Amino acid sequence: GENVEQHPSTLSVQEGDSAVIKCTYSDSASNYFPWYKQELGKRPQLIIDIRSNVGEKKDQRIAVTLNKTAKHFSLHITETQPEDSAVYFCAAGRKSGGYNKLIFGAGTRLAVHP
Amino acid sequence: SQTIHQWPATLVQPVGSPLSLECTVEGTSNPNLYWYRQAAGRGLQLLFYSVGIGQISSEVPQNLSASRPQDRQFILSSKKLLLSDSGFYLCAWSEVILLNTEAFFGQGTRLTVV
Repeated sequence: GENVEQHPSTLSVQEGDSAVIKCTYSDSASNYFPWYKQELGKRPQLIIDIRSNVGEKKDQRIAVTLNKTAKHFSLHITETQPEDSAVYFCAAGRKSGGYNKLIFGAGTRLAVHP
Repeated sequence: SQTIHQWPATLVQPVGSPLSLECTVEGTSNPNLYWYRQAAGRGLQLLFYSVGIGQISSEVPQNLSASRPQDRQFILSSKKLLLSDSGFYLCAWSEVILLNTEAFFGQGTRLTVV
């Protein structure tokens, strides 16, 4: 069935270092790839997304890359700060039977140490 | 602007008791509506989605059910809770008209079955 693999499950970095989270997906019809950030006890919130007609997108310190051939996409956070500490989820989405279907990865717990 | 409300925020229920979680969306019409469950340290598992009033689809077999009595109201229910139903439940919505749009999450309900 459809699934999204996300690695690593936990990531610990020093403040100022870069963090990279990688995801692979199985459904070749997926054409929308959002990334969500979930702080402790709070709702997931979209931080960046990319569509299948784009290979890379950047927003300040965060960037996402997409390789449709390999069914692989990644989140890059540069100059990490303690407030970046959270759980990050990738997802792969497409239209399915009239609704927007999003399959999420299992999440990556990022800890940024001062 | 659109808002999503989900309640209650926390709930402790005994095994075998019924469950009713409610979610309402404001500021949009005919949204796609979703219920996700997040087990401790796990990813977001899609439980139900709805493309319209009375239209409910289930992604996984389970002890729960969902209903959509009004366009912007989505309810998650159970007749008899199991210990395994514990988790963080998130309601979400997305636009129908636009392709591949983000999912907006409610603040979540932390359910503990004891």
